[in-house]
Parts: sequence; structure tokens; C-alpha cells
Amino acid sequence: QLQLQESGPGLVKPSETLSLTCTVSGGSISSSSYYWGWIRQPPGKGLEWIGSIYYSGNAYYNPSLKSRVTLSVDTSKNQFSLKLSSVTAADTAVFYCVRRILGRGWFDPWGQGTLVTVSS
Amino acid sequence: EIVMTQSPATLSLSPGERATLSCRASQSVSSNLAWYQQKPGQAPRLLIYGASTRATGIPARFSGSGSGTEFTLTISSLQSEDFAVYYCQQYNNWPPYTFGQGTKLEIK
Repeated sequence: QLQLQESGPGLVKPSETLSLTCTVSGGSISSSSYYWGWIRQPPGKGLEWIGSIYYSGNAYYNPSLKSRVTLSVDTSKNQFSLKLSSVTAADTAVFYCVRRILGRGWFDPWGQGTLVTVSS
Repeated sequence: EIVMTQSPATLSLSPGERATLSCRASQSVSSNLAWYQQKPGQAPRLLIYGASTRATGIPARFSGSGSGTEFTLTISSLQSEDFAVYYCQQYNNWPPYTFGQGTKLEIK
């Protein structure tokens, strides 16, 4: 059974870059059938799609975040990563990594999520 | 960007009752709509995709309907474990994929 696990610092200072990694287990990130992505949820609020990436490196981003987001894939480690630059308190959220089937638009499964707080 | 609007924001019902949750899209999304359930402290879980197809392992009491701009998630007879927040998500026009703001289903 495929599992996703987020990891990274839980506290980031304003103006710095948030970096998270998602480790995929129970399946290969190099599968041609899936995109891998990130969704965030500010405390007590709704869900926002950040972006998705294919194992080849082809990526799509939310236009509202595109200037600050970089996704990458490390097939040797079966991991993919998120970098969000110039963070502010508004970027405080639980970040989930997710899988999407190629050609489909829903997300399944989800990682358990990791809370990242932006504060000095 | 397609805006998804869910109603009501909160729904108070008793176990055994029928729940009807609504989701409206700002423009047609055809049948490209998914529903998720989120319990406190947990990640969302996929319930429905294609507006009406239950995901693997989802009980038959959950059903989805609608197309275009109007969608409904129905829970036929509420169980205690169904009280949670429910989100709809469109995947017809992207980027970005967009979610509704959620409906909280609480015990009356």
C-alpha cells in the first residue's frame, strides 16, 4: 500500500525559504502513471493546491504561488520536494503531499501532513 | 480560476439521519468533481470522484450526484464516524485545482 510521509522543519523565519520533502513508500515515484504534489491548509481553514510534479520533472504550479514555489523530484531516493521562498506568517499551514493519477484530477492518497509555522 | 462554494457551512444532524451537502462551481466543471472527508487532526480522505463514483473502500451510504455547476454529497444514514468536515474539489479547469471552503457536519 502506497504511503506518503512529509518531513522538514516545523519552524521557518519570515522571508526565508520553507523546504519540505515527501518520501514515497510502497511504490515507485518513477511510475509513469502518477503526478506527485503538495496541498496546504492554514490552521482552521480550507485546502489550497500548491503544485504537482511528474517523475521527469515536468511541473504545474498554482498561479498564485508560482513565483515563490519550486518542486523537484529525486528518483534515487523515491522522494519529491517543495521549496517556498520569501515566506510570511500567511504561509503558516499544514502541508500535505499527495498523489494524482496521470490524466485524472483527484488526490489519493494523502500524507499525514506536517505543520510549518512561520515566525521569528 | 473556478471558485467552489459549499453550503451550508455547518450542518447539525443526528445519527441515523440523512445528510445532504451542496457544492456549486462558478462555471461548469462537467463531472470533474471530487469529495473528501477530513476528521480532526487527520488528512483528507477521498470519498467520491467523477461526481458520483465512490473511491475504494468507501461505504455505500455515501453517494454523489450532479454535473455542470451543482453537486450534492448525500450520506443516507449518518454513523458516528461520519461527523467531519467535507470538501469538494474541481479538476476540470486547472491550474489551479480548487476546493470549496468545506462543510462541517456536526452532531446535533
